[in-house]
Amino acid sequence: QSVLTQPPSVSGAPGQRVTLSCTGSSSNIGAGHGVHWYQLLPGTAPKLLIYGDNNRPSGVPNRFSGSKSGTSASLAITGLQGEDEGDYYCQAYDSSLSGYVFGTGTKVTVL
Amino acid sequence: EVQLVQSGAEVKKPGESLKISCKIYGYSFDSYWLGWVRQMPGKGLEWMGIIYPDDSETRYSPSFQGQVTMSADTSINTAYLQWRSLKASDTAIYYCARLVSESTVYFDHWGQGTPVTVSS
Repeated sequence: QSVLTQPPSVSGAPGQRVTLSCTGSSSNIGAGHGVHWYQLLPGTAPKLLIYGDNNRPSGVPNRFSGSKSGTSASLAITGLQGEDEGDYYCQAYDSSLSGYVFGTGTKVTVL
Repeated sequence: EVQLVQSGAEVKKPGESLKISCKIYGYSFDSYWLGWVRQMPGKGLEWMGIIYPDDSETRYSPSFQGQVTMSADTSINTAYLQWRSLKASDTAIYYCARLVSESTVYFDHWGQGTPVTVSS
């Protein structure tokens, strides 16, 4: 089972700002290994959105931003667009498990 | 351009064997770890394991140790995930992804996924 907890769903109107949370523990997010976020859109390969807590890969719009505090992390999407509808997962390395863990996933719906 | 191209959808019966592939383009295959991730129907992502193609060192998630085998052929830049005896519970989409190790470790490029259906 996932050791990183995310809300099952988040929704917002076009243009609004939504925030997705990711709650972990001292052996993963709190250990400082870095939190990463992935976007899964229907029918497409997963895409890296944020790496190392708050870094955007080349080509990712600056509407997406990441932050971390203690054992939790957040992904903010500003100026929500219809193309942002999909599933979002956080991920970190877990020292206790000696492996990579994903969050439970959040479905973003654009109203 | 970095690309990971996975083999096509598979439909198998319980007890059958299966080997799916992930062919990479655009980077040095033997210089990066490559991971496998499972997504069961309606469920989230699960890390299965990683392989370093240069020497075939592998690290498995405890949940998948003994259930699957990862391998790689550097002569054709291809990684494999195989099962000896499939179960219905292996029905899922399987993704390969390149692992980047810098100050932090993450999967930066992903394959399109291989859907596997196991049904009698």
